[in-house]
Parts: sequence; structure tokens; C-alpha cells
Amino acid sequence: EPEVTQTPSHQVTQMGQEVILRCVPISNHLYFYWYRQILGQKVEFLVSFYNNEISEKSEIFDDQFSVERPDGSNFTLKIRSTKLEDSAMYFCASSEALRSEQFFGPGTRLTVL
Amino acid sequence: DAKTTQPNSMESNEEEPVHLPCNHSTISGTDYIHWYRQLPSQGPEYVIHGLTSNVNNRMASLAIAEDRKSSTLILHRATLRDAAVYYCILRDRFTDKLIFGTGTRLQVFP
Repeated sequence: EPEVTQTPSHQVTQMGQEVILRCVPISNHLYFYWYRQILGQKVEFLVSFYNNEISEKSEIFDDQFSVERPDGSNFTLKIRSTKLEDSAMYFCASSEALRSEQFFGPGTRLTVL
Repeated sequence: DAKTTQPNSMESNEEEPVHLPCNHSTISGTDYIHWYRQLPSQGPEYVIHGLTSNVNNRMASLAIAEDRKSSTLILHRATLRDAAVYYCILRDRFTDKLIFGTGTRLQVFP
């Protein structure tokens, strides 16, 4: 069964450093998403992406964040200058059509020291 | 964003049915009711969704009240693998994002 994959599974970085989290969505999916979950808290929407453009973003997704689909398979989330409060599990998701079920990856645990 | 209310936790024994309730009294006519679950240390996983009629799939059944102000996710025979946090989410036609609440933590005992 096709699945969303994410790398790395765990990323440790120093505050102020840039990180790129990578995702490979399911191959025929057209809609892509990033969510995050701070330890012990709710899953929070960050951004949705379609047709090489951001369709929607949350208040969390400020100028420090960016997303890109650099080729036909990868979907990345970049955090330019990480803060301690960016420590969380980051989940990528994809879906085949608008408002259809979203398939989530296993997540990348980001630890900012 | 339309809100949902779920119990914080529920318990079940293995192989028994489980009924997970969700209240959504402010639901609008075009909101779909979605259920996702999150197993320990994993990403959320789609379970089922519906609009007005009851729905069945291989994972679960969704019973929607006639006035649509509440719904119930039914796991017909709980297994240990069903232990997870279950989220009831309303999705409207204007947005594609999922708004997760705190969900119901389901414990399944052997």
C-alpha cells in the first residue's frame, strides 16, 4: 500500500540554525500539507500546498517557514532560524483531491537546543 | 471553525464493540464529519467520514444523528491495535485543513 514517507525521523539542531524537513507524498496525490504536534499537545495545521502554491496557512506559519516542491516527488518544509519553541513532531500529509482523506507520514521529531 | 466535543478517555475490552461519541451542535449544513485516529508515536490516520447518512467501511461505522448535532464512531470488535486517540473533525467546503481537538483516548484491555 502506498504511503507518505518523511526524513529524517529525528533532527536535532541548535537554535538559530536552518532545518529542512523532507517528505515524499503518495505519487498520484496533488495536495500536500504540513502539521505539527508539540509534545503532549494537539496536532496543529501549518500549511496546505497545491499546484506549486500555498493554498492556506495558519498563524504559526510565519516568515520563518517556507515550503517547496523542488521536484516531482519531494515536498519540503524549511525553518530558517529555529527557535526552542519549534521543537515538535512535524507531520507531512497528502491527499488525492480537495477535501478527500489525508494520508499522514510517520513524522519528523525536531529538537531545537 | 465549527467545534466538536468528545470525552477525554474511554475504555474497552478486546473483542467488544466500542461506541465513541462526538457532539457538534454548531455544525453547518455543508460540514462533513471526519474521524481520524492517532496510534502511539504515529501520524494521524483516516478512519471514516460522512455527511448525513450512516457510513460503513472496513475499519468502522459512523452513525450520524438525524439532526446532525452528534455522531458516533463504532468499532465493532475492538482489538489491542485500536488503542489510540480518536479525533472527530468537522470539515467545511471552504477549507481543506484538518482542525484537531484533543480527541478521545481509547484504551483496550485484553
